[in-house]
Amino acid sequence: KAGVTQTPRYLIKTRGQQVTLSCSPISGHRSVSWYQQTPGQGLQFLFEYFSETQRNKGNFPGRFSGRQFSNSRSEMNVSTLELGDSALYLCASSYGTGNTGELFFGEGSRLTVL
Amino acid sequence: DAKTTQPPSMDCAEGRAANLPCNHSTISGNEYVYWYRQIHSQGPQYIIHGLKNNETNEMASLIITEDRKSSTLILPHATLRDTAVYYCIVRGQGGKLIFGQGTELSVKP
Repeated sequence: KAGVTQTPRYLIKTRGQQVTLSCSPISGHRSVSWYQQTPGQGLQFLFEYFSETQRNKGNFPGRFSGRQFSNSRSEMNVSTLELGDSALYLCASSYGTGNTGELFFGEGSRLTVL
Repeated sequence: DAKTTQPPSMDCAEGRAANLPCNHSTISGNEYVYWYRQIHSQGPQYIIHGLKNNETNEMASLIITEDRKSSTLILPHATLRDTAVYYCIVRGQGGKLIFGQGTELSVKP
């Protein structure tokens, strides 16, 4: 079956703009989580959604937001982009919200802010 | 969530076993140990996970000490394609994984 799909794969924005990234989880998976990866901070948890509800949130400013739709697809939005938001944004899906199942990651969306 | 400590880098000869250590001294009773790896600029790939018993799958073996304060990931016959950053993660509930800096494994011919 198809893996986690993230779009777009690459994008370039300028400071002050906003961006929306999309994630389609593996069919049947209801949990989607988002991560930011930068060279300086490594992989950091952004938020997790299950059945359209945010279940967990990382330590990021309110400019970072997300949502999940009834088909489990998820989007994340970053408003008022800053240079430091340049990163690889990764989405992961899993069947449930317990701690015993695998998280499957997509290939990520690489955002460059100029 | 518990934190983990890993050596920043390791080398391994192709065909030999790669043993990657991880310390997680503050792990609590219901937290699992997960291992992922990331090949440059790709999404992290699941390897294996365990609670307290040793685990083995087609990719690797996971050895967890009896007190659960440390573990070792074993790649039995490392190949050049195993060159990657390996992350040891202690996972609480849900999809929140707390990644450390990982171990950069270089498999050399």
